Amino acid sequence: QQPVQSPQAVILREGEDAVINCSSSKALYSVHWYRQKHGEAPVFLMILLKGGEQKGHEKISASFNEKKQQSSLYLTASQLSYSGTYFCGTDLYTGTASKLTFGTGTRLQVTL
Amino acid sequence: NAGVMQNPRHLVRRRGQEARLRCSPMKGHSHVYWYRQLPEEGLKFMVYLQKENIIDESGMPKERFSAEFPKEGPSILRIQQVVRGDSAAYFCASSPMVAPTGELFFGEGSRLTVL
Repeated sequence: QQPVQSPQAVILREGEDAVINCSSSKALYSVHWYRQKHGEAPVFLMILLKGGEQKGHEKISASFNEKKQQSSLYLTASQLSYSGTYFCGTDLYTGTASKLTFGTGTRLQVTL
Repeated sequence: NAGVMQNPRHLVRRRGQEARLRCSPMKGHSHVYWYRQLPEEGLKFMVYLQKENIIDESGMPKERFSAEFPKEGPSILRIQQVVRGDSAAYFCASSPMVAPTGELFFGEGSRLTVL
């Protein structure tokens, strides 16, 4: 079940803030966030686990609402380097095998 | 510590030929995932493997596609009798642990073009 991301695209001026949302209809074990620049590999930003644990880069913040199966990625004081497509990946892990199912992505463009 | 290595980076095949994509995970990583990405689209899960085992192949077409991760050597994604619709970027990712608790390290991808 593919998670739904919103917005699909956003344009910011440098220094502005943005929030990217990710929601699932299934009970989640974890939510991952990745950023991909055109023609490059996705790069890990953050993982949020059921129970509240988070791992990720210091300058990135995100939240995970376990009751609503929703996660939000907060980009503050945006820089030109933030431009790219942001994907959330959700895992339904039940104790055996797992896989990340990615959303369709949110394209972020930061301009001067 | 070298990252995830994929080769070839670019591959051109004619319809009906075979494509073999290789992925060497990071040292110490025993979990490998393959994803397919069409232009301007998201990453679609194909298969999850551990050494010598296919754990989940629910995203892989049942015909023409196969994957392996042998005890020695890279993981291989094999596409037989390629069609134009197979044109895409194929990304491999590895992890030292089961995905839900740790990050995936992605390779640069293999871009397959079918003429």
